[in-house]
Amino acid sequence: EDKVVQSPLSLVVHEGDTVTLNCSYEVTNFRSLLWYKQEKKAPTFLFMLTSSGIEKKSGRLSSILDKKELFSILNITATQTGDSAIYLCAVEYSGGSNYKLTFGKGTLLTVNP
Amino acid sequence: SAVISQKPSRDICQRGTSLTIQCQVDSQVTMMFWYRQQPGQSLTLIATANQGSEATYESGFVIDKFPISRPNLTFSTLTVSNMSPEDSSIYLCSVEFSYTYGYTFGSGTRLTVV
Repeated sequence: EDKVVQSPLSLVVHEGDTVTLNCSYEVTNFRSLLWYKQEKKAPTFLFMLTSSGIEKKSGRLSSILDKKELFSILNITATQTGDSAIYLCAVEYSGGSNYKLTFGKGTLLTVNP
Repeated sequence: SAVISQKPSRDICQRGTSLTIQCQVDSQVTMMFWYRQQPGQSLTLIATANQGSEATYESGFVIDKFPISRPNLTFSTLTVSNMSPEDSSIYLCSVEFSYTYGYTFGSGTRLTVV
């Protein structure tokens, strides 16, 4: 059965800390891995990763994919209280006639002042 | 990326009734996706809606419970039928407007069934 596993499930840190969120996956017909931030209802897009070893960066956030070991990490440096959210990892794969996403359970990050 | 307008934003419904959720996209897209997020859980794909054909449902979801319409390339509806408290969830629509920017999600509908 295809699956996406995220760890840790929850994490509490202080402002200024650096955090690393993990995502491992097992899917057939892999196309890409995506990271989302969910604060209220709608997930907002962070990164899409398709190639191994190429780091994507956006401000204090960065992510990298290892297609051989089937995992990805999301790093957040100098965390702020506004980073508090659920971080979702999703894997895009070919499911029949179209591509679709399967999500991990998410990591609940709480950043305390 | 695409802009998706989803409504209603939230609703409280009586068990046994039905609710229709609408999603309007500001650009034409081939496929629209509908997800459910139960309390404390991650997103689960309900179905994929193509314009001009019947929706494709994932395992565990059936058309009688979650009928979907896709009348054109910018609009879709999901109906949650004969609701029970177990249907209390966030429902989200999504599109892949641009491969580079992944999938965009609507603002979500928080449904509470009492």
